[in-house]
Amino acid sequence: DAKTTQPTSMDCAEGRAANLPCNHSTISGNEYVYWYRQIHSQGPQYIIHGLKNNETNEMASLIITEDRKSSTLILPHATLRDTAVYYCIVRVNAGNMLTFGGGTRLMVKP
Amino acid sequence: GAVVSQHPSRVICKSGTSVKIECRSLDFQATTMFWYRQFPKQSLMLMATSNEGSKATYEQGVEKDKFLINHASLTLSTLTVTSAHPEDSSFYICSARVQGGRGEQYFGPGTRLTVT
Repeated sequence: DAKTTQPTSMDCAEGRAANLPCNHSTISGNEYVYWYRQIHSQGPQYIIHGLKNNETNEMASLIITEDRKSSTLILPHATLRDTAVYYCIVRVNAGNMLTFGGGTRLMVKP
Repeated sequence: GAVVSQHPSRVICKSGTSVKIECRSLDFQATTMFWYRQFPKQSLMLMATSNEGSKATYEQGVEKDKFLINHASLTLSTLTVTSAHPEDSSFYICSARVQGGRGEQYFGPGTRLTVT
């Protein structure tokens, strides 16, 4: 699975959009981009995933660049409960394990 | 979404004893379950992949005789930490992959193990 690079930490004001970047320059054509988050002392929670097209669900939007070498997870209106570590993972869909990197620690502030 | 449970959520045990952690998929069947370990301020590290009805596959550096995994049904996998030592104290998390799905994986809430 391709390696990803994310900033170690980010801050966001409550009510504003949180934009979390991820670089995956070695991504293969059959690899998807997955986003999970982990709130302190809990198991990871699936957020969204995509291959080429931008995706949106009730939690977030995923913007993937045309060359697929990077992506951005957007939380449109961040709340204090969105404070968590966000992991960007690339893997072949229906593949096996998820390989977690360091993630981005997002702190939403009042 | 699909729900995965873990039991117990927290356990404290004495050094040298064994501890069993259960991972259950509550509303779906999971041919494959994964066990992760997470030390404080670190990311999740995969320990082993558990397939129903067959032996688990362990990651390099994980002792299979110390971390016994059993996946006896499509909804239950267990991890037994044998002869626990204080350095085994960690947050243990399982995930389950939906059988026949598109590779969706759902995580349990984790088990905090403290060995005294």
